[in-house]
Amino acid sequence: AQTVTQSQPEMSVQEAETVTLSCTYDTSESDYYLFWYKQPPSRQMILVIRQEAYKQQNATENRFSVNFQKAAKSFSLKISDSQLGDAAMYFCAYRSTFYGGATNKLIFGTGTLLAVQP
Amino acid sequence: EAGVTQFPSHSVIEKGQTVTLRCDPISGHDNLYWYRRVMGKEIKFLLHFVKESKQDESGMPNNRFLAERTGGTYSTLKVQPAELEDSGVYFCASSQDPGLATYNEQFFGPGTRLTVL
Repeated sequence: AQTVTQSQPEMSVQEAETVTLSCTYDTSESDYYLFWYKQPPSRQMILVIRQEAYKQQNATENRFSVNFQKAAKSFSLKISDSQLGDAAMYFCAYRSTFYGGATNKLIFGTGTLLAVQP
Repeated sequence: EAGVTQFPSHSVIEKGQTVTLRCDPISGHDNLYWYRRVMGKEIKFLLHFVKESKQDESGMPNNRFLAERTGGTYSTLKVQPAELEDSGVYFCASSQDPGLATYNEQFFGPGTRLTVL
């Protein structure tokens, strides 16, 4: 069974600085998706960034980028130029690739609560 | 376009009572998922509907939990009787049928916070 581990329950960053959130996972599959979701306080969870395991290039979305190390089974999220609106709970998640009939369930880590200091 | 909605946002009940949570997916989304986060722990998958059929219910904790999806539209999750360990945040998500694509994003609702006293 696949597992996702986030070892940092809480992190803090100064506004305009860079922060990296860690995520490791365990799987025997060779192809899969990895995600970072953000849940702001009292709001719904939204997808921040997605990485396909077969792609060697790290995904980027504006100020958000990942460092995907497939051999090490590591998937960290880097937030550059942190803003107050980045304060949220961040969840790392894994999903098997879809091969017709298989479930699309997401497997989550325990989350990292990010505080942004003005 | 309206997102995934869940009702109620909060529910406080006593042990032994029954609670029903509702999820309205994004219109046209055939896939509907239920997840749960117990305080401080990971978000765990409960089950997955494709239209009105249960595709995967491997995450349902026990037979006190009953999920339905009437006519392939909204879904309800009933807990009967509720126990203390059922407290947590229950999330619903929906996604489109991927068709030939291999990826279909899951869109989440705001969650229902359930407290069992």
